[in-house]
Amino acid sequence: DTAVSQTPKYLVTQMGNDKSIKCEQNLGHDTMYWYKQDSKKFLKIMFSYNNKELIINETVPNRFSPKSPDKAHLNLHINSLELGDSAVYFCASAPRPPREAFFGQGTRLTVV
Amino acid sequence: GNSVTQMEGPVTLSEEAFLTINCTYTATGYPSLFWYVQYPGEGLQLLLKATKADDKGSNKGFEATYRKETTSFHLEKGSVQVSDSAVYFCALSDPDDYKLSFGAGTTVTVRA
Repeated sequence: DTAVSQTPKYLVTQMGNDKSIKCEQNLGHDTMYWYKQDSKKFLKIMFSYNNKELIINETVPNRFSPKSPDKAHLNLHINSLELGDSAVYFCASAPRPPREAFFGQGTRLTVV
Repeated sequence: GNSVTQMEGPVTLSEEAFLTINCTYTATGYPSLFWYVQYPGEGLQLLLKATKADDKGSNKGFEATYRKETTSFHLEKGSVQVSDSAVYFCALSDPDDYKLSFGAGTTVTVRA
């Protein structure tokens, strides 16, 4: 029974397309995150939600739009994909700060 | 703001060698500290944690002690195995911050 699950695991798409990544957690946590991992493995916070409310938007282009329909879900929609968006995107959840976060398996996005 | 500085890699070791990965942090409050591990093609897994000064986290033969006086949380393992080959991330979570701040990651390769 996966704690944090995100789909799809792999996503290959052309420049200019719009795509979504879904994330669900069954841990009952209040806080959910999206992180971006680049080719050098560096992890950067994109968004942080607490109880469905956006807390952190870390200078992410507005082509990226998170949506949290309820506490258990945090989806990421990306418009007009660019080559530079190619990365691994991780969803995570945490019970509350400053507790540890639990990560999904990641979505490897490749824009061609 | 909060930040984590981690020893740069890559690190290559022989089996049964001693591993140390240095991690220092800057935080305004009283953070919790974590080590995460990422095996090839997988998401991040919590390896160990410490929530207050002088706490020692341990798991799978790895240890790290929260040192407030030196703002450090160095990871150690006395005898590594090939299966320990992975990327290791030091991270902190601040009570006032809805995110985990990560170090740059250290790639460790253990040769048989």
